[in-house]
Amino acid sequence: GQSLEQPSEVTAVEGAIVQINCTYQTSGFYGLSWYQQHDGGAPTFLSYNGLDGLEETGRFSSFLSRSDSYGYLLLQELQMKDSASYFCAVSPAGGYNKLIFGAGTRLAVHP
Amino acid sequence: KAGVTQTPRYLIKTRGQQVTLSCSPISGHRSVSWYQQTPGQGLQFLFEYFSETQRNKGNFPGRFSGRQFSNSRSEMNVSTLELGDSALYLCAISLAVVEGNEQFFGPGTRLTVL
Repeated sequence: GQSLEQPSEVTAVEGAIVQINCTYQTSGFYGLSWYQQHDGGAPTFLSYNGLDGLEETGRFSSFLSRSDSYGYLLLQELQMKDSASYFCAVSPAGGYNKLIFGAGTRLAVHP
Repeated sequence: KAGVTQTPRYLIKTRGQQVTLSCSPISGHRSVSWYQQTPGQGLQFLFEYFSETQRNKGNFPGRFSGRQFSNSRSEMNVSTLELGDSALYLCAISLAVVEGNEQFFGPGTRLTVL
């Protein structure tokens, strides 16, 4: 089976950098994704790592290390609008478009 | 451009009733997945339909079912509703055939079971 662990809450100030970690136990997967969800909204895709290494998309970067069963989302130059929940998710091998999500990390950005 | 509409947006039912939720992707999206989101269990995969065929199913009881039509629209049905079925039900679409691609989520249907 698959399980993903991420911190439940993270707090940071505007302009800072924050890293949200995701450790996983899985028998096989194609890649690790990150989604953002604001209160009352739907999850929106942020990033996908199919291979080990760093993927950069503007202020957001994501990293995957399969050997360490570990990934992270890095948010730079934090803005108030980044206050949201962030979910890591794996695409299990043979699961087509199925996603298995972590419990989510609630990020609070303060002035 | 990818996009998906879900109806209704809000729904209140009582225990024992059944409910049907609808998901309408913009044309061209052949894969539709459904998820249940609750505070206690988080985001959980229900099932995926591709070209009118269910090709993956999550760990939910048989009360949860779905289908997809030839125009890619999908419905999910929950029979004999229980209080624990209160949740946000999300559908997601993917253009790609291969695994691991970006999923676009609809706004969801908020179901409350009384």
